[in-house]
Formats: sequence, structure tokens, C-alpha cells
Amino acid sequence: RKEVEQDPGPFNVPEGATVAFNCTYSNSASQSFFWYRQDCRKEPKLLMSVYSSGNEDGRFTAQLNRASQYISLLIRDSKLSDSATYLCVVLQHGNSGYSTLTFGKGTMLLVSP
Amino acid sequence: NAGVTQTPKFRVLKTGQSMTLLCAQDMNHEYMYWYRQDPGMGLRLIHYSVGEGTTAKGEVPDGYNVSRLKKQNFLLGLESAAPSQTSVYFCASRRQDYNSPLHFGNGTRLTVT
Repeated sequence: RKEVEQDPGPFNVPEGATVAFNCTYSNSASQSFFWYRQDCRKEPKLLMSVYSSGNEDGRFTAQLNRASQYISLLIRDSKLSDSATYLCVVLQHGNSGYSTLTFGKGTMLLVSP
Repeated sequence: NAGVTQTPKFRVLKTGQSMTLLCAQDMNHEYMYWYRQDPGMGLRLIHYSVGEGTTAKGEVPDGYNVSRLKKQNFLLGLESAAPSQTSVYFCASRRQDYNSPLHFGNGTRLTVT
């Protein structure tokens, strides 16, 4: 099983739709979780951190399910500008004090008019 | 707020040529990373550094060398470029605390012919 897995998509949705992505991780010791957004030929940009109790930022909601080892991202009222690839990032804190970051390969979202 | 700056943005090399990619961050981050991104492969870690004067190998270090002589700079060198090193290279940095996200540079698009 891959360390961090995402459905590559693409997810094709109309404007205004609600869409959700999941990201599963295999290391139960994983401690921090992030969602990044990457536009074509650009650098990944932090969308939001994922907190244990779940968190919301405008139209975006992130959830963590430690028991089932996945995080999710919900986008409400999709905009054309939400079209991008969404990367899941998982961080494990190592014994040596150094943290290991593992990226998913991303889920592509296409929002159409 | 420059954040993470990468130079150059684009470069074309011939097989066997050498070059250095420069990454500079002005956020006083301890950790710095070099990634490459190829279609269908996601982000792969080349080398990383946990502080000035330290470097370590990542997932795909062969053919690359790095140096971190100053805390704010992380250099990635290709001694003898190969077509397999055609890729987009991203530098990133983050604080030392475990819930600190990565901040990426704009990327360097390298083609080796």
C-alpha cells in the first residue's frame, strides 16, 4: 500500500457544485496534515492545514479521521477558479527530531460553467 | 515578502553540462528541500537540509549534489546533466516545528537535450 494515496481524478463538476476528495495514509504515526493546491505549471500553494477537530476556511472544509487514516477536503459552491490539482501532504515526526513529509500525487478538479 | 525565490526560472542544458540552481528564503526557516516533479510521478524529494551546514539524501538523490553554506540559501547542483533530469524543480522551506507547512518557490523548468 502506498504511503499516501489520492484518487487522481479528474473530477468534473459544474459551477456551484459541492465536491469532496479523500486522501488515505498508511503510517498511523502521522501527525500533521495539509492540503495544497497546484495550478498547471505552478508551484504548490498551501490551501489549509488539517486539524484533528476539523476546520473550515470559507468554502473549504478539511476533516481528519485518524481511526480510518484518511483526510478529506470538501469544496462548496465550486468556482471556475477552483480548477486545479489538490495535493495531500502528511507529516510524520521522527525519533531523530526530523519530520518526514509525504506527498500524494494529487487529485485534479475541473469546474465547468 | 519574497518568501522562497528560485533562480533561474528556465534553463536548457546539453547532456554533460553542469549547472547550479539557487534557492533563497528570507523567512529564517531551518529546513529546506529540493523536489522534482514529473508528469504522473508527483513530487519526489531529491535532497534536504535541516540546518546550515547540513544536507541529507532524499528519495532520488543520484546525479545531484547540494550545499547549504548559509541558512537562507540551498543550492542544487547537476555535475553532468542527463536527459532523465529534464523536470520541474521546486525548492521549499519550513520552520522546525512539526505543524509547520512547506513554502514553495516558483520552480525551475529544466530541459536537458
